[in-house]
Amino acid sequence: EVQLLESGGGLVQPGGSLRLSCVASGFTFSSHALTWVRQAPGKGLQWVSSISGSGGSTFYADSVKGRFTISRDSSKNTLYLQMNSLRAADTAVYYCANSFTYFDYWGQGTLVTVSS
Amino acid sequence: EIVMTQSPATLSVSPGERATLSCRASQGVSSNLAWYQQKPGQAPRLLIYGASTRATGIPARFSGSGSGTEFTLTISSLQPEDFAVYYCQHYNNWPRTFGQGTKVEIK
Repeated sequence: EVQLLESGGGLVQPGGSLRLSCVASGFTFSSHALTWVRQAPGKGLQWVSSISGSGGSTFYADSVKGRFTISRDSSKNTLYLQMNSLRAADTAVYYCANSFTYFDYWGQGTLVTVSS
Repeated sequence: EIVMTQSPATLSVSPGERATLSCRASQGVSSNLAWYQQKPGQAPRLLIYGASTRATGIPARFSGSGSGTEFTLTISSLQPEDFAVYYCQHYNNWPRTFGQGTKVEIK
């Protein structure tokens, strides 16, 4: 059974940093691209970033480019999202999802709140 | 960036009735289009990919059609558990983008 479990969310001040993690199980980790999708409170879904199975290719939404870094560690079956220079507009539930085409498995999400 | 526009924003339907949701892409995305269902407090669930292929375990009352720029999700006979928000998403190029969602509510 495929499982994705996010962690690392919390309250952070504007300009601060946070690193999200997503532990994956139930599939061959290094064979699958992974993605972060976020959802601001009461709003729709927004694609944030994706990474290939090898980690050699990464893709970012313009709204986070230069501030967020996606990475993965195959030895730990873990996906990361390093978020720097956080803004109030980054407040959202962050989901990790498999693949970078359509997403058939999702984690339960972790809430990031950027506020002073 | 391809803009995905869903209509209507809210659809009021009685249980047992048919619901038709639309999704329009600002540029052609071939058949690289997915539909998701999301209920309050839950992660999205994949319903349809490739514009018309049902995901594993999705009931046959859900069907998708279209290609290029115009897409439709049809729920043939709404069940109580189908009242939710539905999103379309393209994966034809980068960045991936979602529509703003259609809320299907009980009439």
